[in-house]
Order: sequence, then structure tokens, then C-alpha cells
Amino acid sequence: DAKTTQPTSMDCAEGRAANLPCNHSTISGNEYVYWYRQIHSQGPQYIIHGLKNNETNEMASLIITEDRKSSTLILPHATLRDTAVYYCIVRVASYGQNFVFGPGTRLSVLP
Amino acid sequence: SAVISQKPSRDICQRGTSLTIQCQVDSQVTMMFWYRQQPGQSLTLIATANQGSEATYESGFVIDKFPISRPNLTFSTLTVSNMSPEDSSIYLCSVEDEKLFFGSGTQLSVL
Repeated sequence: DAKTTQPTSMDCAEGRAANLPCNHSTISGNEYVYWYRQIHSQGPQYIIHGLKNNETNEMASLIITEDRKSSTLILPHATLRDTAVYYCIVRVASYGQNFVFGPGTRLSVLP
Repeated sequence: SAVISQKPSRDICQRGTSLTIQCQVDSQVTMMFWYRQQPGQSLTLIATANQGSEATYESGFVIDKFPISRPNLTFSTLTVSNMSPEDSSIYLCSVEDEKLFFGSGTQLSVL
């Protein structure tokens, strides 16, 4: 079973920041938080991951709370092409460990 | 990042037949993973394919139904055997290179 809980769906206005929350209250000290997204009928796409520090890349920012029990993925300027299902996954960063996908959050970016 | 080519991209098959899905990676990888995504659902790991050894299947998946080959470090196949309409899903190949990378998937419809 997935170790994370996410809202089923969210809406965001185009051009605004999309903030996607994820709860992982049972996360272990050696588990990373990964975010993926899946645009309709395509394979999931890696977005970002982190352990305890906030992370930023060209796609998004990841904010992890100090107690690491929750995190937020931020898309700073959402576009229509960001409409997708977003998956938050916690996983030990050890080669071959399974990525367990939960139901994710369906983000709809509205014009 | 690994580039994964998966084919066919989609197929429509008759009940009782089998379909073999191919996955080609542009670099050598130790492990390849096969996922299933049923309509409207999240991803579920079918099996992990290591080169030179038998694939490891997750609970609920058996080798007779989903035989896997892994002849070398860049290629794998998944066969969906004796298909029924319940096998209609997207089948995804993935590899790990610190992160998990996915192919574009095979959309299978069984009539």
C-alpha cells in the first residue's frame, strides 16, 4: 500500500502557482519523497525528489516540513499543459526498491 | 536520463490470444520493471526483470500469465497470455537510474 495520502483532485488557474499537498506521516528517516506526474495516456514523468531539505529544479519546487510528515509540490506558474495526475511517493533510495504509486491528485489547470 | 522505447504503443486483441510487449533502453540497466495501469486506476508493479535470472513477480501476478524475458541489459519483453477483457490496461516498462524512468506505455484492449 502507498504510504502517502493526497487530495483526489484540485483546480488551479492558468498562470497561478499550483500547490499540491502530500501527507506521509509514517515516513522513515531514510525514505525520500518523490513526485511524478502522468499526463493522459503517457508514462509517468519524474518531477523532483528530496530527503529533508527543500528542493527546486526547472519544473517545480518541493517543500518538506521540518518533521517530514508532509510535503508540498509547487508549480510556480501553472500552464494548461500541467494538467495531469500527480503522484507523491515515499521510498528508500536504494536501487531496486519498489516505487508504490497511490491514486495521486488530478490537477486541472483552468484557462 | 534513460530513453525507453516501448512497442506496440497500442493493440486490440481477441480473447484467448497472447501479446508480447517489447521494451528497449538506450543504456545498460540491471533491473527493468513492468507495471500495469487498469482503466482509471494507478500503477501496479507486475514484476522486476533482472538480466540473467528469473523475474520476480508481485503478489497477484504469476509467470504463466505474464512471462517475462530479459535476454540482455538493454531489452525485455512482457507477454500477456490467454487474454481476457480484464487484461485491458496500459502496460508500462520502466528502468531505474537514481530515479524511475518510464516508456510511453502499451495500451491494450481485449475484445
